[in-house]
Amino acid sequence: EVQLVESGGGLVQPGGSLRLSCAASGFTFTTYGMSWVRQAPGKGLEWVSTISDSGGSTYYAVSVKGRFTISRDNSKNTLYLQMNSLRADDTAVYYCAEGTPGSYFDYWGQGTLVTVSS
Amino acid sequence: SYELTQPLSVSVALGQTARITCGGNNIGSKNVHWYQQKPGQAPVLVIYSDNNRPSGIPERFSGSNSGNTATLTISRAQAGDEADYYCQVWDSGTVVFGGGTKLTVL
Repeated sequence: EVQLVESGGGLVQPGGSLRLSCAASGFTFTTYGMSWVRQAPGKGLEWVSTISDSGGSTYYAVSVKGRFTISRDNSKNTLYLQMNSLRADDTAVYYCAEGTPGSYFDYWGQGTLVTVSS
Repeated sequence: SYELTQPLSVSVALGQTARITCGGNNIGSKNVHWYQQKPGQAPVLVIYSDNNRPSGIPERFSGSNSGNTATLTISRAQAGDEADYYCQVWDSGTVVFGGGTKLTVL
């Protein structure tokens, strides 16, 4: 059974940093691209970033480029999202999802809430 | 940047057919994927690559894509189909989601 478990969310002040993690199990992590998708309260889905299976290719939404960094540790079956210079409009539930670049999102985690507020 | 347009809401009578559209410039040339999201839950893939159902998704869910419009069709709508539905494509190295459609089953 595929499992994606996010962690690392919480309350952070504007301008602060946070690192999200996503622990994957139940599939061959090293052969799948992975992504982060977020959803602000009461709003729709917004793609954040995608990384290829090897980690050699990364993609970012314009809204987070230069502030967020996606990475992965294939030895630990874990996906990360380093978020810097956080703003109030980054407040959202952040979902980890399995998805190869150019394709769809097969499996999703349950999400972790990030709140940016003073 | 590429945009996907969905109606904010669609209503369907119990047992009837619901159609949710997703509009985009020449979307027929892209692979369109659809997700269902119920309140408080993570999204679930219901259609991938225009018209393919993942395992476990009922045959009542189908998709089509041509020209400037992709369509998710839900036949014999059930109360449990009430949810938000999102279309998604990749364009120029980025992922684009539609704004979402709230399906109400009357």
